[in-house]
Amino acid sequence: DVVMTQSPLSLPVTLGQPASISCRSSQSLVYRDGNTFLNWFLQRPGQSPRRLIYKISNRDSGVPDRFRGSGSGTNFTLRISRVEAEDVGIYYCMQGTHWPPTFGQGTKVDI
Amino acid sequence: EVQLVESGGGLVQPGGSLRLSCAASGFIFSDYWMTWVRLVPGKGLEWVANIDQDGREMYYVDSLAGRCSISRDNAKNSVFLQMDSLRVEDSAVYYCVSGMVELDFWGQGALVTVSS
Repeated sequence: DVVMTQSPLSLPVTLGQPASISCRSSQSLVYRDGNTFLNWFLQRPGQSPRRLIYKISNRDSGVPDRFRGSGSGTNFTLRISRVEAEDVGIYYCMQGTHWPPTFGQGTKVDI
Repeated sequence: EVQLVESGGGLVQPGGSLRLSCAASGFIFSDYWMTWVRLVPGKGLEWVANIDQDGREMYYVDSLAGRCSISRDNAKNSVFLQMDSLRVEDSAVYYCVSGMVELDFWGQGALVTVSS
């Protein structure tokens, strides 16, 4: 199985400041059709996970533009330009290129 | 508005069985793969199983293969997860999720606790 490694696992943040989470895969996530199936999810306290980003950099509807996904191959990053209070929670990356789909360990973001 | 509502969770003894259900609304259910993902305490998210639009292709995580079965009823916009021979390590919140790898919409989750 493809191993997804996130860092850091815990990220204290300051409101209004930027934050960044890294996600590395044990194999390239480029699919044979050229797509890269790398998603980012946020699980806020007491809520279900919610997808934020799909295929590396595409923001879901309603996701603020302060969230930006980037990367290629085996290295990916989720950046928050200016952290807001509602951004606290656990962030997960996930690959869907190789079977079975696998998640990173999660990065806990708190103020 | 897309809604996925799980039911059927609960406390079960090791070796027991449980059937989770998920009722979907707000999208054309029969057009989508459906997936179950679990949140294991202290371990994070784990993909469990998924099923294609027609219910003909099913895939399972290795740790549950042979012990669980995913199915769907497109007439009732529902997907199910039958789990047998449950183990303590199967304790988790089980989420019903739309899509094959897109995982774009999630239910609120069903808590499964396996304990004697």
